[in-house]
Amino acid sequence: NAGVTQTPKFQVLKTGQSMTLQCAQDMNHNSMYWYRQDPGMGLRLIYYSASEGTTDKGEVPNGYNVSRLNKREFSLRLESAAPSQTSVYFCASSEATANYGYTFGSGTRLTVV
Amino acid sequence: AQSVTQPDIHITVSEGASLELRCNYSYGATPYLFWYVQSPGQGLQLLLKYFSGDTLVQGIKGFEAEFKRSQSSFNLRKPSVHWSDAAEYFCAVGAPWNYGQNFVFGPGTRLSVLP
Repeated sequence: NAGVTQTPKFQVLKTGQSMTLQCAQDMNHNSMYWYRQDPGMGLRLIYYSASEGTTDKGEVPNGYNVSRLNKREFSLRLESAAPSQTSVYFCASSEATANYGYTFGSGTRLTVV
Repeated sequence: AQSVTQPDIHITVSEGASLELRCNYSYGATPYLFWYVQSPGQGLQLLLKYFSGDTLVQGIKGFEAEFKRSQSSFNLRKPSVHWSDAAEYFCAVGAPWNYGQNFVFGPGTRLSVLP
């Protein structure tokens, strides 16, 4: 029973490099989310996908793009990484709205140098 | 817009002692309330949630929370803490029909447990 799986767990990028964070869930949830967690800033929503085929911006979408590849997978792409994007990134899913409760992945720790 | 405060940044309790973590929210209507726990290096895990009905909610791992509308509070309790409960705890409030855009996490309370 894997739940939400994120890859990679750790990544170091140079400024300007690009990368894609992968996320997959096996709970047949309709909604998926990307959050970042920073000390003193808490958890902030980057993008969400309420259902397969739809994506919407959250609180801090600048510098990111997302793809809801299918019902299971929701990827986050950094086109040109900046030091301000150093953070821990969490993917989450929910059965429907966020009020059903999130299931979170274990996170990706990203450092941009 | 809703908001959440957790007045205690860090709490230390002895193993076997009781625990209460405080949470206050601001929201104009009846809120959807949650407690999540985050162990080091892990994602958040849902402990319990409140939508309506009985104001005392039971969750996983022996936790419970009580919704008090008059005090705008949703405090988390556990009668006897175990060393494995050491973690960070987040209270959260959601508006109806939200997909995260109207969902607010509190700043968190870090719990340390003394042997």
